[in-house]
Amino acid sequence: EAGVAQSPRYKIIEKRQSVAFWCNPISGHATLYWYQQILGQGPKLLIQFQNNGVVDDSQLPKDRFSAERLKGVDSTLKIQPAKLEDSAVYLCASSLAGTGNTQYFGPGTRLTVL
Amino acid sequence: AQSVTQPDIHITVSEGASLELRCNYSYGATPYLFWYVQSPGQGLQLLLKYFSGDTLVQGIKGFEAEFKRSQSSFNLRKPSVHWSDAAEYFCAVGAVDFNKFYFGSGTKLNVKP
Repeated sequence: EAGVAQSPRYKIIEKRQSVAFWCNPISGHATLYWYQQILGQGPKLLIQFQNNGVVDDSQLPKDRFSAERLKGVDSTLKIQPAKLEDSAVYLCASSLAGTGNTQYFGPGTRLTVL
Repeated sequence: AQSVTQPDIHITVSEGASLELRCNYSYGATPYLFWYVQSPGQGLQLLLKYFSGDTLVQGIKGFEAEFKRSQSSFNLRKPSVHWSDAAEYFCAVGAVDFNKFYFGSGTKLNVKP
């Protein structure tokens, strides 16, 4: 079974530029998560989708971050404009719908903002 | 407020020695508890999870964890550490309805030959 795919793996941009990350979850997983992991910290949930609807985006900085999950499968996370403090690894995870299901993580995208 | 605390930022053990990584949580309801491992450049891999039932949970790679409700703890253990266990370990807690999920700040494990 294929795992969670993410691209790109690495991205370097200047501050105030925009960037987008892509995630393809495990087939059949209705729930998709985006996390931000700053160096030396644990992952922080940014947004959670159930199919193509948003379940929780309370920690998403909506003035610069946006995410969508069209057709309830792939998802993109965008930052516009980027700030230095956005430098982090952005992790995508997916799980089956319903309570208590295990999240499976992709390899992440390491973003460096200069 | 919900939180997960991993009090040890770095731990170094000798290969073959036993290991215990500490995790304490603060949660108002019955939690789901997880341990994940993250090797350099890799995504997070689930080691084990606790939902209900037996409080001693067995996981992959020879790891186990014990849920102690009275101490709000979910410590990870391994009787004999291998050099390949060097990685960062994260404890996480999830809500029963799974709409909220919180990670601790992680413990980096170094293994001495």
